[in-house]
Amino acid sequence: KAGVTQTPRYLIKTRGQQVTLSCSPISGHRSVSWYQQTPGQGLQFLFEYFSETQRNKGNFPGRFSGRQFSNSRSEMNVSTLELGDSALYLCASSLGTSGGTQFFGPGTRLTVL
Amino acid sequence: LAKTTQPISMDSYEGQEVNITCSHNNIATNDYITWYQQFPSQGPRFIIQGYKTKVTNEVASLFIPADRKSSTLSLPRVSLSDTAVYYCLVVRDSNYQLIWGAGTKLIIKP
Repeated sequence: KAGVTQTPRYLIKTRGQQVTLSCSPISGHRSVSWYQQTPGQGLQFLFEYFSETQRNKGNFPGRFSGRQFSNSRSEMNVSTLELGDSALYLCASSLGTSGGTQFFGPGTRLTVL
Repeated sequence: LAKTTQPISMDSYEGQEVNITCSHNNIATNDYITWYQQFPSQGPRFIIQGYKTKVTNEVASLFIPADRKSSTLSLPRVSLSDTAVYYCLVVRDSNYQLIWGAGTKLIIKP
C-alpha cells in the first residue's frame, strides 16, 4: 500500500496570507489527524477527522481549520498567517479505532516571512 | 485529566539496552499504548503497540505492568542510528482522544 502523502512538501508564505495543505491517507483509512511541530518541540495536536466529521480538536485558534472529503483525503487551512505559524505540519492516518496505528506522512514545511 | 508523561531526555552508549518509561496514570480499560520514533524533519514512525503484559517485535519490546499505569519501551543493543525522539501515545477508546507524551530525546554515544 502507498503511504501517507502530503502536498506540498515545502511552502513559503508571507504574514497575513492564507495557506491550504493537503493530506492523502493510506487506502482504507478513515481517520486523518493533523499536527504542528515547531523546532525542538513535540507534536501539537490540531484536529482529527473521521468519516468527514471532526472528532477531536486541540487548543489552536480558529485560524486553523480543516475538512475531510468522502474519499478520506483531508485539507488543513491556516488563515491570516503569523510568523509563529512557521512549522512542520504533519498528518497521520489510521483506521480510526483505538487499536489503530497512526501512520505519518513526511510533513509540509511551512515558512512564514 | 488524562496525561502521558515521559522523561525529556536520556543518554546511553552503543551496545547497551535502553529503557524509556512512560507514565499514563489515567489510562482506561480499553486504551492502547503505542510508541513512535522520530528523526529530525521526518514524520514519526511506528515502533510497537501493546495493551497489556509484554509485546516484542524485531526492533523493540514493550512492557506493560498489570495496572497499566505505565509502560516501558526497551531497545536492545542500541546503535548511533537509534538517536531520535521517542513518543508514547495512549489512544482513548471511548472517544479516540489522542494523548501524546512530550517525547524523550535519546542520544546514543559511541
